Amino acid sequence: EAQVTQNPRYLITVTGKKLTVTCSQNMNHEYMSWYRQDPGLGLRQIYYSMNVEVTDKGDVPEGYKVSRKEKRNFPLILESPSPNQTSLYFCASSLSEKETQYFGPGTRLLVL
Amino acid sequence: AQSVTQLDSQVPVFEEAPVELRCNYSSSVSVYLFWYVQYPNQGLQLLLKYLSGSTLVKGINGFEAEFNKSQTSFHLRKPSVHISDTAEYFCAVRFLGGGADGLTFGKGTHLIIQP
Repeated sequence: EAQVTQNPRYLITVTGKKLTVTCSQNMNHEYMSWYRQDPGLGLRQIYYSMNVEVTDKGDVPEGYKVSRKEKRNFPLILESPSPNQTSLYFCASSLSEKETQYFGPGTRLLVL
Repeated sequence: AQSVTQLDSQVPVFEEAPVELRCNYSSSVSVYLFWYVQYPNQGLQLLLKYLSGSTLVKGINGFEAEFNKSQTSFHLRKPSVHISDTAEYFCAVRFLGGGADGLTFGKGTHLIIQP
């Protein structure tokens, strides 16, 4: 089944404790992206990747890192999480920037 | 500046009535346009998209949208809604030819279907 998976789905952590949210797709997509969703703000892009080893900042990259060492995986790293990073995070992938983006199920993060 | 505006944060509609969800964008470059739906506690699912060609686009679940370049709008319509259409709807725009890549989303419109 074609899908985008994210892990974990739910995470509670404390300020400053490094964490990684994984994202994996099995559709051989070139393009991958991370978004955060906050009430009243819609989805905002954090980082995106056009291909392996090619990543770039989106609209709200501060406090986040990403890597794209292989085509299928695009982890989101929070080196020192803060409470303002409490949010719902979505990973998405597509064949190219023209094509439909397929979204993962979301990761709900709470930073205390 | 490039932006996407969904004018209504909530739209209450009676079941079987028609609905229009509004989306406007601001851009000096060409665009691709998308509507996504998010059902409660789920991820986003594509309803329809406009890349080029006919300005009237038909999507899943009986939804359609019309691209109006002069008014920079991409409003979503359905002639008769059902309870199952209750969800959050997001308009998204990809601005081509300059600046960061990726989708810019509107803030969403919560469609509430009343029996």
